[in-house]
Amino acid sequence: DTGVSQNPRHKITKRGQNVTFRCDPISEHNRLYWYRQTLGQGPEFLTYFQNEAQLEKSRLLSDRFSAERPKGSFSTLEIQRTEQGDSAMYLCASSLVNLRAVGNTIYFGEGSWLTVV
Amino acid sequence: GQQLNQSPQSMFIQEGEDVSMNCTSSSIFNTWLWYKQDPGEGPVLLIALYKAGELTSNGRLTAQFGITRKDSFLNISASIPSDVGIYFCAGPRSNTGNQFYFGTGTSLTVIP
Repeated sequence: DTGVSQNPRHKITKRGQNVTFRCDPISEHNRLYWYRQTLGQGPEFLTYFQNEAQLEKSRLLSDRFSAERPKGSFSTLEIQRTEQGDSAMYLCASSLVNLRAVGNTIYFGEGSWLTVV
Repeated sequence: GQQLNQSPQSMFIQEGEDVSMNCTSSSIFNTWLWYKQDPGEGPVLLIALYKAGELTSNGRLTAQFGITRKDSFLNISASIPSDVGIYFCAGPRSNTGNQFYFGTGTSLTVIP
């Protein structure tokens, strides 16, 4: 399978614990995105990387959230001191942006469900 | 942030019927993407549109990029039970496509 891969698919954690999600993008893609989705809503942008550089962060990304993409390949999203409001599906997506900028199309992984109890 | 308005919010149709849904924005977009999402899964890209007026098909799906660049339509012909799911439109905030805004989704139920 050469699509975007995320793990774990499901995580249940106690409030106050830290959790980390991993994303492996499509191999030749240079951009990687993190989104959050709650029930009944569309995905909301959190942050994105161009290669290893984190270029934009949403105001939704509080100080307890940190994302890295150390070698420009896989990425991790860590949530510290989880709160019940963090319960959501965390989606990773990737895209290949070329110099012609004809159009950007993003491809999503299957998502990682987080439940904070 | 930017909100894309999708309508209808939900649809209940008989198998074999055609479906039409749309998405509108207060801003001009240079790309429209349509996704389908099954419960507990990530969105799957259906159709990408890059040019105003563009009409693109993918099997029984057809999508159009509105000429005002503020709307897009998705049609599904001869619906089947596996078409059930939530359909999202998405568009980038800028020409660089750094951030995509998503609509609120259209939930489709197909009655066999």
